[in-house]
Amino acid sequence: SQKIEQNSEALNIQEGKTATLTCNYTNYSPAYLQWYRQDPGRGPVFLLLIRENEKEKRKERLKVTFDTTLKQSLFHITASQPADSATYLCVRTPGSGNTGKLIFGQGTTLQVKP
Amino acid sequence: NAGVTQTPKFQVLKTGQSMTLQCAQDMNHEYMSWYRQDPGMGLRLIHYSVGAGITDQGEVPNGYNVSRSTTEDFPLRLLSAAPSQTSVYFCASIPGGSMNTEAFFGQGTRLTVV
Repeated sequence: SQKIEQNSEALNIQEGKTATLTCNYTNYSPAYLQWYRQDPGRGPVFLLLIRENEKEKRKERLKVTFDTTLKQSLFHITASQPADSATYLCVRTPGSGNTGKLIFGQGTTLQVKP
Repeated sequence: NAGVTQTPKFQVLKTGQSMTLQCAQDMNHEYMSWYRQDPGMGLRLIHYSVGAGITDQGEVPNGYNVSRSTTEDFPLRLLSAAPSQTSVYFCASIPGGSMNTEAFFGQGTRLTVV
C-alpha cells in the first residue's frame, strides 16, 4: 500500500537552530507533496507544496526539498523560534486525477526551546 | 469568509446513538472531505466529495454516511456510534480544478463514544 512515513519521535531543538523534519514515501512516486502545520486542538494549516520536478521550494524561513531517488522530502525551519513549536504533517496529493484523496503521514512534533 | 466551519466542537455519545457532524464552507470549493485523527496515526480519509451530488468512500468508511446536496455543506452521519469511533474529526475543502492545491480544514470535532 502507499505510505507516507514521518519520524513519530518528537524533535527538540534550541531556539535559533535549524529544524529538519523527514518524510519518506514507499510503493509509489507522488507527483506532489504538501506540508501542513497543526497546533493542539486545531485543524492543519497549509505551509508549502512541492512538485516532483522541483528540487527545492522556499517560503520565508521554510524550505522543502524533494528527492525522488531517495523517496524523501525534507522540511527545514531556519532560525527556529518557540512559536514554531507544533506538529508538522507531510501529505501526498494525487497528482493527475482529482479524486479528493490526500494521504497523510502521522506527523512529527517539533519543540523549540528558548 | 468564515472558511470551513464544523459543529459541534465537542460531543459525547452513548454506544448505539446516532448523530450528524456538520461541515460548511463558504469558499465555493468543489472538493470536500472528512478525516478522522487518532493518536499516533495520520489523518485517515472517511468519505469525500468532488461536487454536489457526488460522494465516494475513503480508507475507513464503515459506520459513516455522507451526502452532498449543496456545494456548501457536507455532513457526516454516524449511524450507530461505537467506542472505536472515538476520535477527532476534521472536514476539509479544496478549490476545484486541481487536487494539488491547498486544503482548508475546519477546527475539528472531538467525539467521545462511551
